Order: sequence, then structure tokens, then C-alpha cells
Amino acid sequence: AQSVAQPEDQVNVAEGNPLTVKCTYSVSGNPYLFWYVQYPNRGLQFLLKYITGDNLVKGSYGFEAEFNKSQTSFHLKKPSALVSDSALYFCAVRDLSSNTGKLIFGQGTTLQVKP
Amino acid sequence: GAVVSQHPSWVICKSGTSVKIECRSLDFQATTMFWYRQFPKQSLMLMATSNEGSKATYEQGVEKDKFLINHASLTLSTLTVTSAHPEDSSFYICSVSPRGGSTDTQYFGPGTRLTVL
Repeated sequence: AQSVAQPEDQVNVAEGNPLTVKCTYSVSGNPYLFWYVQYPNRGLQFLLKYITGDNLVKGSYGFEAEFNKSQTSFHLKKPSALVSDSALYFCAVRDLSSNTGKLIFGQGTTLQVKP
Repeated sequence: GAVVSQHPSWVICKSGTSVKIECRSLDFQATTMFWYRQFPKQSLMLMATSNEGSKATYEQGVEKDKFLINHASLTLSTLTVTSAHPEDSSFYICSVSPRGGSTDTQYFGPGTRLTVL
């Protein structure tokens, strides 16, 4: 079965410091990986995705993610965190057994950036 | 990115009534729409996949007679929660895959907060 895991419920970072939100995946085949961000009482906003190509993917709001096949990871990173980055972050993988683009989401990680 | 709207943004209803939630893609045609529900501080749970002009595909454990989905056009899908009960209170979110584009990226609506008294 395909799945993604976000091992941390919450990540705390001081403003200006680099941040990492972890994600590992388990799929049979080449993974299609995504990161989304959710602000309180809002829907999800697309940040970035990995389909093929460069392992380092750049996305919105200065975020990037590194695809690591050997470690089956797709960690989200940002060099310098902002207080406004505080939100709930979801990693997702496309369900390759479906032809509809169905996504499987991780549990979510709350990022708290403190001034 | 693509713009997806949901209406209403929040609704409070009495137990036993039915509630309809609309999901619209505003600037593109949607081949497929997805409906999720989300409990506080939890992940999204896919309820069903909706394709225009055909019956929705429900995930295991989701009652299709309780959560009626109608994908009447390429820009509109509706979710009706029938005979709502307090345990149906949740945050309902739709997402859309654009027609003719990659099915890989989904664009999400802002969500609808349903509270059943």
C-alpha cells in the first residue's frame, strides 16, 4: 500500500532560522510527491511538487523540497523562517493505483515560528 | 494557481436536516473533483471522487446515501449531507483537477465548516 508519513506533529523554529518539515513515503513505482500548506479555517494551498527531474524542487513562498530516493524522503525546507509561515503542512503522494489523481495525505505537521 | 470556491463557508443546522455544499472551479473546467472531510488538527480524509456526468466513487466506509454528490457540470460539484447529525460536524473541503491539464496537481477550495446542533 502507498503511504506518506510525517513523523513530527509539531516543529518549532525561531524566526530567521532555517526550517525543515519531514516527510517519508512508501510507494511501488516512481512517486509523485506534493507539499501543501493550510492556514486556520482555510483550504489547502499548493506549495510544490516532485514528478521527475531535479531532486531539489523550488516552490512558492521561498520553500523548497529535496527528493531523496535512497532515503524515501521528501523533506520541506526554507532557509529563513517567517512568523507568517506558521501553519499546518501536509505532504502527499499520488495514489498510483488510481487514474484520477487521487492523493494520499500525511498526518500533517504544525509549524510554529516564533519571533 | 487555479481558483476554487466553496459555498457556504460555514453553516449551522439542526439535527435531521440536509445541507448542500457547492464547489466551483472559477477559471477552468474540472474533469475531476474530490471531496474531503477534516477533523480538528487532523489530516484530510478523502470521501469521494466525482467525475462530470458520471456517478461518484466513494471511499470505503463512506455512506453514499448520506453524502450525496452531484457533478452536474464541468465547473460545479455539490455535496449534500442528508439527515445531518452532530457527528457529521466537520470541515468539508473540495479539490479540483483541471480538465486537459495534469491530473497531478489538485487545487483546493477554502472549505466549509458544518456544525450540526
